[in-house]
Amino acid sequence: QQQVKQSPQSLIVQKGGIPIINCAYENTAFDYFPWYQQFPGKGPALLIAIRPDVSEKKEGRFTISFNKSAKQFSLHIMDSQPGDSATYFCAAKRRNAGGTSYGKLTFGQGTILTVHP
Amino acid sequence: KAGVTQTPRYLIKTRGQQVTLSCSPISGHRSVSWYQQTPGQGLQFLFEYFSETQRNKGNFPGRFSGRQFSNSRSEMNVSTLELGDSALYLCASSLTGTGGEPYNEQFFGPGTRLTVL
Repeated sequence: QQQVKQSPQSLIVQKGGIPIINCAYENTAFDYFPWYQQFPGKGPALLIAIRPDVSEKKEGRFTISFNKSAKQFSLHIMDSQPGDSATYFCAAKRRNAGGTSYGKLTFGQGTILTVHP
Repeated sequence: KAGVTQTPRYLIKTRGQQVTLSCSPISGHRSVSWYQQTPGQGLQFLFEYFSETQRNKGNFPGRFSGRQFSNSRSEMNVSTLELGDSALYLCASSLTGTGGEPYNEQFFGPGTRLTVL
């Protein structure tokens, strides 16, 4: 059962554009929502994260918008650059409530972003 | 501070063999999680370790096992390799609170690329 659905699978924008990647979740026990960026041959790198008590969080050119009632969250990349071309993953984690919640990030399927010069 | 390191980076094995992968977490991080990344299934949680104890386990067969040492370094082992075990195996580490609960932020290593022939 896929608990975090991510779209689109791929996205192409021009330099300076604002790509938007969307994720939806089902489990209301999730209370931490990170985004990871992965370049070929590298491990995922934590980009930005949000908790459900906040509707928006911005770090540099990256913004997360969070809609708790709709159980959706999205990543916006302002003034995108060719160097932003990578695969982006959203994820979700349950609040810590004993061992069965520890460590487990549930990931979306990923979005391959290409930013043309 | 050095990041998460994983060895080896690449590995080629044949069906039926077993393999051991190693992970050294960021200094001071005591929680270590393992993930499998494949094109078809994406990133999937394998298990989480803290204080030499497995606290959480994903939905993988018993051929997948792991352990953690007193210095927080971790290994995972896959026995009786199958073709479908070909994947990028990622290790992530996180800080923990005074009660041992892992912080939400997980930091990934570069992964070990396992190819099973």
